[in-house]
Amino acid sequence: DQQVKQNSPSLSVQEGRISILNCDYTNSMFDYFLWYKKYPAEGPTFLISISSIKDKNEDGRFTVFLNKSAKHLSLHIVPSQPGDSAVYFCAVTLTGANSKLTFGKGITLSVRP
Amino acid sequence: GAGVSQSPRYKVAKRGQDVALRCDPISGHVSLFWYQQALGQGPEFLTYFQNEAQLDKSGLPSDRFFAERPEGSVSTLKIQRTQQEDSAVYLCASSLTPTRSEQYFGPGTRLTVT
Repeated sequence: DQQVKQNSPSLSVQEGRISILNCDYTNSMFDYFLWYKKYPAEGPTFLISISSIKDKNEDGRFTVFLNKSAKHLSLHIVPSQPGDSAVYFCAVTLTGANSKLTFGKGITLSVRP
Repeated sequence: GAGVSQSPRYKVAKRGQDVALRCDPISGHVSLFWYQQALGQGPEFLTYFQNEAQLDKSGLPSDRFFAERPEGSVSTLKIQRTQQEDSAVYLCASSLTPTRSEQYFGPGTRLTVT
């Protein structure tokens, strides 16, 4: 049973517009949430994270929003750039001595010039 | 570079062969993780080391999979008697301390079992 769901397998947006990537999780015990970006033939690259004590974290063009009651998080990219085209993975964890990550299946973002 | 490195990048093995995959984590990183990524899926946890101690191997799919990190730095994931279902990308990640959740990934080893 999938603990992390990224229900939209792909998203296409125009350069300069906003990209919104969504993620849902099932277990309310998870308390730390991360987004990773992956290019072909490379490993995932850490992008941004948020703790369960916050509802928003911003880093440049990237903002992550967390809605704990809905067990939902989203990544906003504004403005989107062609170099943002990649697969984006949502990951969740329970902080502690073994912070293993549980990933969703990923969303392929295409930013059209 | 100072990132996580993995070797080989690509490995083709005949069914039944043993393989060994190597991971060099970021220097000084205490925690090391192995993940398996099947095509079209997200990475799935295999095992976790804190320094040289393997604290969690709950994700290893069978007793054919074995991992070690004898000196608390380089780690090796060994798969014995490979099967076709072992074909996947094997990712290694490290983090600075056990309580830091941000993990930094290597490029992965793509294993193809024929």
